[in-house]
Amino acid sequence: DTEVTQTPKHLVMGMTNKKSLKCEQHMGHRAMYWYKQKAKKPPELMFVYSYEKLSINESVPSRFSPECPNSSLLNLHLHALQPEDSALYLCASSQDKPRGGWIYEQYFGPGTRLTVT
Amino acid sequence: GDSVTQMEGPVTLSEEAFLTINCTYTATGYPSLFWYVQYPGEGLQLLLKATKADDKGSNKGFEATYRKETTSFHLEKGSVQVSDSAVYFCALDMEYGNKLVFGAGTILRVKS
Repeated sequence: DTEVTQTPKHLVMGMTNKKSLKCEQHMGHRAMYWYKQKAKKPPELMFVYSYEKLSINESVPSRFSPECPNSSLLNLHLHALQPEDSALYLCASSQDKPRGGWIYEQYFGPGTRLTVT
Repeated sequence: GDSVTQMEGPVTLSEEAFLTINCTYTATGYPSLFWYVQYPGEGLQLLLKATKADDKGSNKGFEATYRKETTSFHLEKGSVQVSDSAVYFCALDMEYGNKLVFGAGTILRVKS
């Protein structure tokens, strides 16, 4: 099973709403990622979790709050978003890499299409 | 810093034409190189990868060879199909950190 699942597929929310995006993988991967992708652009890394601990935060605004409750699940909590936050949000997972060691490919989910009104 | 440059698109081809999408990289160390494909309305799928110089990645008729001397990883396919229409991203990953560096992406349109 090389699948990363994401829910919901589509989400429309107002600027005062609180919502969450969910991501799940059962490949035993210990690194999980959130990306934001605008139309016609490559994905931009937001957060990386390694062994359920946040290891990279790419200076993302605090209205985005990630959470990794266990090794299979990754959430992204959304609050007080702006219309410019509308985008495709992609989750990915991979084996975690040892120091200076092998590089593992990332497996991506289908994404959540978020619209902020 | 590390970076990836891809040829600009869109690339428009007729079915059964030969495809080349150019990709070059800049990196301070020895990256692994990847091609990802994104079909309309979907997430990214790994198409192929190469982890060291002169490695050739291949999948579904696509090929790319890791050329250290020219810092390139060009994607090729001998005969494209309409179903290959998608956006193709070249990417690198360094041996340190967990961070893919993507190129801008190349849109491929194949006409029947």
